[in-house]
Amino acid sequence: EIVLTQSPGTLSLSPGERATLSCRASQSVSSSYLAWYQQKPGQAPRLLIYGAASRATGIPDRFSGSGSGTDFTLTISRLEPEDSAVYYCEQYGSSPLTFGGGTKVEIK
Amino acid sequence: QVQLVQSGAEVKKPGASVKVSCKASGYSFTTYYMHWVRQAPGQGLEWVGIINPDSGATDYTQKFQGRVTITRDTSTSTVYMEVSSLRSEDTAVYYCARDRFGGGDCDFWGQGTLVTVSS
Repeated sequence: EIVLTQSPGTLSLSPGERATLSCRASQSVSSSYLAWYQQKPGQAPRLLIYGAASRATGIPDRFSGSGSGTDFTLTISRLEPEDSAVYYCEQYGSSPLTFGGGTKVEIK
Repeated sequence: QVQLVQSGAEVKKPGASVKVSCKASGYSFTTYYMHWVRQAPGQGLEWVGIINPDSGATDYTQKFQGRVTITRDTSTSTVYMEVSSLRSEDTAVYYCARDRFGGGDCDFWGQGTLVTVSS
């Protein structure tokens, strides 16, 4: 199975700053079948990005995804207080689907 | 609007079974695959399996093969996940999640069902 490693574990930034989250795969993710989710405490995950770079419906354009092969990035261009959450990457190019361990984004 | 409403929290003893339901509304039930994903307390997300509501075909992660069964009832637009031989390590929130377009990313999620396994 494909193992996804996310870094850093925690990111602490101020409102308005740029956040860069990394997701590295143990083998190439086919067809860039990589998604990013946001999860706030006590809530279900919310789809942000699919296909490595496509924003899901209703997602603000400050969220962007990039990458291919084994290296993927989620960028939040201008952090807002409501962006405080844990972010997970998921690969769905091969079974079993797998998730990264998550990056916690804290807003100072 | 799309809604996935799951059944309530469960407390089970080790060795028992649990069946969690996920009732879908607001879209054509048989058009979209449904996943089950679980999250142990304070931990990350773990994929359990998937069902094609149209054909009933399923796929599971190998870790759960033989212990998890996903089924559906098209007459009520409901998907079920049953886990048998429960262990304490199965304590988790279980989510159903609609597959966006047959790929594996999930655009709508249920509210989650906490299953606690404790003697």
